[in-house]
Amino acid sequence: GQNIDQPTEMTATEGAIVQINCTYQTSGFNGLFWYQQHAGEAPTFLSYNVLDGLEEKGRFSSFLSRSKGYSYLLLKELQMKDSASYLCAVRYSGAGSYQLTFGKGTKLSVIP
Amino acid sequence: DAEITQSPRHKITETGRQVTLACHQTWNHNNMFWYRQDLGHGLRLIHYSYGVQDTNKGEVSDGYSVSRSNTEDLPLTLESAASSQTSVYFCASSDGGLAGADTQYFGPGTRLTVL
Repeated sequence: GQNIDQPTEMTATEGAIVQINCTYQTSGFNGLFWYQQHAGEAPTFLSYNVLDGLEEKGRFSSFLSRSKGYSYLLLKELQMKDSASYLCAVRYSGAGSYQLTFGKGTKLSVIP
Repeated sequence: DAEITQSPRHKITETGRQVTLACHQTWNHNNMFWYRQDLGHGLRLIHYSYGVQDTNKGEVSDGYSVSRSNTEDLPLTLESAASSQTSVYFCASSDGGLAGADTQYFGPGTRLTVL
């Protein structure tokens, strides 16, 4: 199978910056997604990367290095509402393949 | 507004019973997916469909089945519920376009308990 690795838990302070890393197997890579999931709720889409570089969306940015099989999600100016799990998911190529393989998620706790 | 809904939101059943979880989307998306989410495992794909009459097995399909008779619905059936199938189930859909992100959008989830 294709392993997607990300840290299990992280803690950061309100107002700070936090970086959540994700590594994946590079063979057949065809896109990487980040989702946010608050406790008891559905995952919601945050960002998509398919080319190398940084994608910025307000306080959230996502970076991709395809050669290294590495991505990170950067959250700036942390707010208490950012406490959630962050899921990294990779799409691998194949005939008509739209499936995603998810990491186990990183639970982020934002403290005052 | 287009949306994706799941019902019921909570279900308690007994071992051996047949259970069907509903998923309905009004996005007119071609692709639909069923996942289960358990502590320590993350989201795992059960079954998926790329269009009407198309169904495919995912990573953890044993004990589950789906059917796709129209674009909007992909019901998930547990043929004979087992305690190991206690989980939170999420349905998702995506438009299946040839280009672009093909982002998956998730329903609110169904919490199933098998006693």
